[in-house]
Amino acid sequence: ETGVTQTPRHLVMGMTNKKSLKCEQHLGHNAMYWYKQSAKKPLELMFVYNFKEQTENNSVPSRFSPECPNSSHLFLHLHTLQPEDSALYLCASSQQSTAQETQYFGPGTRLLVL
Amino acid sequence: EDQVTQSPEALRLQEGESSSLNCSYTVSGLRGLFWYRQDPGKGPEFLFTLYSAGEEKEKERLKATLTKKESFLHITAPKPEDSATYLCAVSRSNDYKLSFGAGTTVTVRA
Repeated sequence: ETGVTQTPRHLVMGMTNKKSLKCEQHLGHNAMYWYKQSAKKPLELMFVYNFKEQTENNSVPSRFSPECPNSSHLFLHLHTLQPEDSALYLCASSQQSTAQETQYFGPGTRLLVL
Repeated sequence: EDQVTQSPEALRLQEGESSSLNCSYTVSGLRGLFWYRQDPGKGPEFLFTLYSAGEEKEKERLKATLTKKESFLHITAPKPEDSATYLCAVSRSNDYKLSFGAGTTVTVRA
């Protein structure tokens, strides 16, 4: 595997389900990010981890819970979601979380909440 | 608050018909301007980073330029495989967060 991988690629869940999204980066980076991408809207930053420490929680509802066990893996735990949470969830990584570092994205998980 | 505006929202081109996409920004202390390409159902793919006004970068049929207020992505003699959504993002000094524009969707017809 190379770059940033995400699983699953597609997910359909009911509002009472609990599921998790997984992201893995094979670039040796130290910072990882979760973004939400809704149709016709700019990417929205959700969470940032730098050296496994959470450095950003962009006012995200508690029904989204991130976990970063090491610098290569990032999870997004989902529970009691709402239909408006349906979107493409993107993971990204960069060498460090600094302004000049390029972020590299995974393919995303397309989530549909029924 | 940082603002990034991309225009046009959509662009339809004939194969070989060169054109430009615009990304205008309002940010205090620009540190970097990033261009990404995104195909349907996939994650953004990194294209360029520009750091200072006057800087230019090229890759195949794409050329990105930067001024103090905007960036242009020029597509020269596009091919159908250049069809995608092109995203622009900015970062400012002392802040790793990227502010993204909504993107320009380019369709190139053969």
